[in-house]
Amino acid sequence: GPKVLQIPSHQIIDMGQMVTLNCDPVSNHLYFYWYKQILGQQMEFLVNFYNGKVMEKSKLFKDQFSVERPDGSYFTLKIQPTALEDSAVYFCASSLVGGASETLYFGSGTRLTVL
Amino acid sequence: GDSVTQTEGLVTLTEGLPVMLNCTYQTIYSNPFLFWYVQHLNESPRLLLKSFTDNKRTEHQGFHATLHKSSSSFHLQKSSAQLSDSALYYCALRGTQVVGQLTFGRGTRLQVYA
Repeated sequence: GPKVLQIPSHQIIDMGQMVTLNCDPVSNHLYFYWYKQILGQQMEFLVNFYNGKVMEKSKLFKDQFSVERPDGSYFTLKIQPTALEDSAVYFCASSLVGGASETLYFGSGTRLTVL
Repeated sequence: GDSVTQTEGLVTLTEGLPVMLNCTYQTIYSNPFLFWYVQHLNESPRLLLKSFTDNKRTEHQGFHATLHKSSSSFHLQKSSAQLSDSALYYCALRGTQVVGQLTFGRGTRLQVYA
């Protein structure tokens, strides 16, 4: 089936550094998302992105977070600067359309460890 | 806000026995959609089932679930567990108008033994 690829699968950085998480969504999809999952907790919505713009973001999407997809390349989540509480698995997802019953296709996640 | 409750963190079963994973939800949205995602080890969460209308059963790959708005439930069932069913199962709710915003439960790990 359709696949979403996330690079890297693991990343370890020092607090205060910048990190960029990369996502290669399903090729014909138009809507893109990031979710965050802290160890032992549920996945939580961070942000959606369509037509080059953030449409909605949750309260977890701090000012230090940003997303972009320049020229149809990777959909990225940048955190600058990182904090200890940013340690989590970040899942990227995409969908063809934005309907209520639309299926989201997820990547396998990037485990971010902030030291 | 919206919430999803999966009461079991771990379910262990012998192969061949029936599976039932519980999922209940809360939302003020009158027309919610419910989803079951399955995540095998080192793989992506992938859609297993999604709800249709109230009280209508949906099936895929031997699993089935029925949305019951009266009890706010969408339990996952299978008549006979297989070893390959061992995985993490997430119930998720689309209750808001925010595009792509799913509210997930904490997940239930299903471990099937021979």
